[in-house]
Amino acid sequence: EIVLTQSPGTLSLSPGERATLSCRASQSVSSNHLAWYQQKPGQAPRLLIFAASSRATGTPDRFSGSGSETDFTLTISRLEPEDFAVYYCQQYGRSPSITFGQGTRLEIK
Amino acid sequence: QVQLQQWGAGLLKPSETLSLTCAVYGGSLDLYYWSWIRQPPGKRLEWIGQINHSGSTNYNPSLKSRVTISVDTSKNQFSLNLSSVTAADTAVYYCARVVGGGLQKHWGQGTLVTVSS
Repeated sequence: EIVLTQSPGTLSLSPGERATLSCRASQSVSSNHLAWYQQKPGQAPRLLIFAASSRATGTPDRFSGSGSETDFTLTISRLEPEDFAVYYCQQYGRSPSITFGQGTRLEIK
Repeated sequence: QVQLQQWGAGLLKPSETLSLTCAVYGGSLDLYYWSWIRQPPGKRLEWIGQINHSGSTNYNPSLKSRVTISVDTSKNQFSLNLSSVTAADTAVYYCARVVGGGLQKHWGQGTLVTVSS
């Protein structure tokens, strides 16, 4: 099983700042099958990024993904108030067995 | 736009069987896999398993011995059964549509299932 470790656990920033979230895999993620989800309190997760760097339909272009093999990054260029949430990475390269990271909480400073 | 609506018992006793159903509206079960994901309080999301319209399934190895996912194409629904539950199975359970080989693109609203004596 591929274990995903996200850092930091909590990130405190202000609107307008840049956010950088990290996801590290215990083994290489095949074909860059790495996704990012956003989850707000009381809601289901929402798919933001797939294939490491492709934005899902409706994802604002201030969100970008990068990385390969075992190291991946989600960047939010300029934080909007609605971006404060929990973010999870997910690998689906070893489909059908899918795993998620433990999440990064992005909070308002 | 596809919508998923799920329901099932929210409070169980240890050793009982968890049963949840997810109805799909605005789309057919064909062409996709359909999954169950859970999220224990304060913990990471955990993939439980998936099924397609013909009943082909894949399960998380850690839960495989207790999980059954089934499909009812006549009702456009799929279901999750998890046997012999314990407090460790307390979680919000989600159903989802799978795209792109493993992406959970559309989600149900979630059902909190609590296991307590």
